[in-house]
Amino acid sequence: QQKVQQSPESLTVSEGAMASLNCTFSDGTSNNFRWYRQHSAKGLEVLVSIFSDGEKEEGRFTAHLNRANLHVSLHIREPQPSDSAVYLCAVRTNTNKVVFGTGTRLQVLP
Amino acid sequence: DMKVTQMPRYLIKRMGENVLLECGQDMSHETMYWYRQDPGLGLQLIYISYDVDSNSEGDIPKGYRVSRKKREHFSLILDSAKTNQTSVYFCASSQGYSDYTFGSGTRLLVI
Repeated sequence: QQKVQQSPESLTVSEGAMASLNCTFSDGTSNNFRWYRQHSAKGLEVLVSIFSDGEKEEGRFTAHLNRANLHVSLHIREPQPSDSAVYLCAVRTNTNKVVFGTGTRLQVLP
Repeated sequence: DMKVTQMPRYLIKRMGENVLLECGQDMSHETMYWYRQDPGLGLQLIYISYDVDSNSEGDIPKGYRVSRKKREHFSLILDSAKTNQTSVYFCASSQGYSDYTFGSGTRLLVI
């Protein structure tokens, strides 16, 4: 069964400094990975979807996938206080189920 | 405007009462999901529905049941709610391998 772990649990950065979030998974046969953002007590919005090893950029958000290392990361360029939220990594399994990580709480200080 | 709508947003129930959480989507997505989100546990899948009357247990189905009589509507039912079912419940829908569209959640408190 696919297991998804995120680190760190919480992260504080200053406005404008790069924020890097990590996600490891247990089954390298998955090929469908997404990063979501969740503002407090609200629904989830998808930020980046990545389906092959390498890099995928969507605006200020860049995902890096390395399936051999069972690792996908999210880098936020020039984070702003409005980016303060919980970030969730999601891995779609070969049975079309999506497994979520427990999230990283990001705080961006002005 | 494509969206998933959850009702109610907030709900307080006493232990032993029945609970009905409603979810609707306007995108004709085949697949719908119910998740619960708890601190430290992330989002856990309760049930998946692949279409009308085609439902499958997720990872934590115990204590829950679902109903999908129309493609656009998916209900989560708690028969005799328990305090450990206090949580935030999210509904989502998708078509094929498309991104999930999530509702805004229902915050349930069982006292």
